[in-house]
Formats: sequence, structure tokens, C-alpha cells
Amino acid sequence: GENVEQHPSTLSVQEGDSAVIKCTYSDSASNYFPWYKQELGKGPQLIIDIRSNVGEKKDQRIAVTLNKTAKHFSLHITETQPEDSAVYFCAASTQSGGGADGLTFGKGTHLIIQP
Amino acid sequence: ETGVTQSPTHLIKTRGQQVTLRCSSQSGHNTVSWYQQALGQGPQFIFQYYREEENGRGNFPPRFSGLQFPNYSSELNVNALELDDSALYLCASSLPYRNSPLHFGNGTRLTVT
Repeated sequence: GENVEQHPSTLSVQEGDSAVIKCTYSDSASNYFPWYKQELGKGPQLIIDIRSNVGEKKDQRIAVTLNKTAKHFSLHITETQPEDSAVYFCAASTQSGGGADGLTFGKGTHLIIQP
Repeated sequence: ETGVTQSPTHLIKTRGQQVTLRCSSQSGHNTVSWYQQALGQGPQFIFQYYREEENGRGNFPPRFSGLQFPNYSSELNVNALELDDSALYLCASSLPYRNSPLHFGNGTRLTVT
């Protein structure tokens, strides 16, 4: 089955700086890669996703890049703000809704924005 | 638009007991998935329901079972609770289309003592 590795486990950056979180996956059949943000006491919230026919996608301060040959994808957050502090999860799947195999998640990155 | 709602928010059970968790899917969503999130870990896929049938399952034993109702709401049942079942249980709903993403509820925190 799919295996997703996520690094780093904790990332501390100064407010206004950029943050980068990296993930690798093992199943070459995976073609959907969402990123979720989870705040304390809440469920994961989808912040951006990318499909295998696209190499990069941006949404305001957030961008995701995908390298299918190397089987890795990354989340980039620019101009970080205090409200960006949370745990971020990457995931991979062969279908957008997870399908019969579900989404396979990484172990998460705790992003801390220092004022 | 109503999001995914789960009940109860917290639950304490004793080892060996049975538990039922409930989920109402987001309006218009007819596919429901359940995930288990242990402390400090990413969510793990338990199973998915579509049209009241289980159509996919992760690496969980048969004592984890589910139901989906005609109104698309869902239940997760866990029998013979073990201490390792202590976790946050997340329900997620989606449309059954290829590019429809998962939307999660806030989960039920289950503690087994």
C-alpha cells in the first residue's frame, strides 16, 4: 500500500518569513495530493490540493509543487502570519475522495509562527 | 451550507465495552468515510460508505463496523474496545465524483480505560 513520509515534524519560523513542508510517497499510482490544516480541537481542513497532471498550484499565500518522477510534493506558505500556526498534514490517494483505499496521511508538521 | 457534524464530542468507555459514534454528512454529500487519528499521528482510513454499502476498508479488524442511512448520515461501531482504540475518530464526507475532496468533521474523542 501507499506510504507517505512528511518532514519536518516541527517547524518554527519568524512571522513574515516563508515555511516549506515536504512529503514523499511510495505508490506511483497515486495522483491526488491534498494538504490539510488542523487546529487544536478541530478536524482537518483542506487548504489546497494538486492532481498529477499539474506541477504547481497557488492560492494566495499558499502554493504546492509536485514532482511525480521523484515522488515528492511540497507545501509553501509565504508571508506567514500567527494564524498559520497549526499542524499540517499531507496526503496521497489514487482518487480525490480517497476512494476505496482512502487517503494515506503523513504524520504531520507542527508549524509555529514566532511573533 | 451545513458542514460535517459528529456526536458526541467526547466519550469515555471501559475496555471490552461497545461504542457507537454518529456523523451527519455535509449537505449534498452522499459518500462518508471514517478515519482514526491517534495522538500525534495522521488520520488512518477505516472505511468508506456509498449508497449504504461499504465500498472500501483500511487495515482495521472486523470489530470496527459501520452503517450509512438513506439520508447519508453514518455510524461507526466498535465492539470489544481495547485501550489502543483511544483516539480521535473523524468522519469525512464527499461527493462521489472523481475530483470531489474530503471535508472532515471535528471528530469524537474516545478514551478507553
